[in-house]
Amino acid sequence: GDSVTQMEGPVTLSEEAFLTINCTYTATGYPSLFWYVQYPGEGLQLLLKATKADDKGSNKGFEATYRKETTSFHLEKGSVQVSDSAVYFCALSDLGWAGTALIFGKGTTLSVSS
Amino acid sequence: DGGITQSPKYLFRKEGQNVTLSCEQNLNHDAMYWYRQDPGQGLRLIYYSQIVNDFQKGDIAEGYSVSREKKESFPLTVTSAQKNPTAFYLCATKGQGNSQPQHFGDGTRLSIL
Repeated sequence: GDSVTQMEGPVTLSEEAFLTINCTYTATGYPSLFWYVQYPGEGLQLLLKATKADDKGSNKGFEATYRKETTSFHLEKGSVQVSDSAVYFCALSDLGWAGTALIFGKGTTLSVSS
Repeated sequence: DGGITQSPKYLFRKEGQNVTLSCEQNLNHDAMYWYRQDPGQGLRLIYYSQIVNDFQKGDIAEGYSVSREKKESFPLTVTSAQKNPTAFYLCATKGQGNSQPQHFGDGTRLSIL
């Protein structure tokens, strides 16, 4: 079945460092791909999405490119800030599963220090 | 202000008691979902509903029940049969189409007294 695999955390960086969080997926169809962010005690917020191969999603300095050949959707940011400290979830949407519920990775905790 | 409202934000359950978590949305989405999140773990799907008066079990439905009498509302009851209910519960909705994201409420944290 469909699945999402994220790199395990925690990821600890200094302010202004480059961030990569790896995400790979397995899907039988043509999924849409998403990154969500969760701050402590809050729900998940959509960070960015891509709906077809080679699409690049971007928001708030974060970017991710939908790579069909490597089945990947890695999240990147050129210069992280302390305020980026949160848990990041990669997810996919593939028609036909659980009423089109998204399939989530386990999440990667990012901690940025000043 | 469009969105999803979960209440209460914090909830305490006594032994043998059923408690109900509220989820209300004004996004006009047909699909609604309940997830459970435990510390250091991802999201696990409890129940989902694609349309009014219909709902389906997710991966961990035992000890939980839901209803979907109105499009706007999808309450979750944590029954006394759920022996380890302490967790963060998230409600979500989704518009139609594969490219649509899920939208989440702010969650309810349930603890045992």
